[in-house]
Amino acid sequence: EDQVTQSPEALRLQEGESSSLNCSYTVSGLRGLFWYRQDPGKGPEFLFTLYSAGEEKEKERLKATLTKKESFLHITAPKPEDSATYLCAVLPMEYGNKLVFGAGTILRVKS
Amino acid sequence: ETGVTQTPRHLVMGMTNKKSLKCEQHLGHNAMYWYKQSAKKPLELMFVYSLEERVENNSVPSRFSPECPNSSHLFLHLHTLQPEDSALYLCASSQDGPADTGELFFGEGSRLTVL
Repeated sequence: EDQVTQSPEALRLQEGESSSLNCSYTVSGLRGLFWYRQDPGKGPEFLFTLYSAGEEKEKERLKATLTKKESFLHITAPKPEDSATYLCAVLPMEYGNKLVFGAGTILRVKS
Repeated sequence: ETGVTQTPRHLVMGMTNKKSLKCEQHLGHNAMYWYKQSAKKPLELMFVYSLEERVENNSVPSRFSPECPNSSHLFLHLHTLQPEDSALYLCASSQDGPADTGELFFGEGSRLTVL
């Protein structure tokens, strides 16, 4: 069964304290891995797509990386406005399989 | 209006009521989705429409009934719900079909409370 596990469940950082969120996945084959950001009371907002191991994508203080078993979302020198829930999702290779989401990591950055 | 718009944002209903959630996308996308989001649980796919044809129904109880009259509009009709159906219901759209992309554009959601 296709599965996505995110850790930690919650993370508290001080402003400027860099860290990483983890997304591990078990799928028959990976067509793509996707990161989303969700602010309280709002829908998820698409951030990145990664297709193959070794690929990296960056946006401001965020960098997403991908291996054959997991993805990391690195947050460099975070600011309070980076506080949100970060969701990871995978699209399995098997045709017809739909997007599988993880439960998310709640990030709080304090000033 | 841009993006994906959902109404109402908040809804409280009794178990015997009938109500509907509405979603409209202004992106010219070909696929639309309904997801359920409960606290600390992954997003659950409920229904998918591609080019107005339903292509996925993830064993959703019949008290939830979707309707897609055209490629820009999606409804979720609700009747005789249970308290455990209380959740955030998210509508999303995508340019490509559901088996081909994970780049979804979500609305802000409808927060449903069933008393």
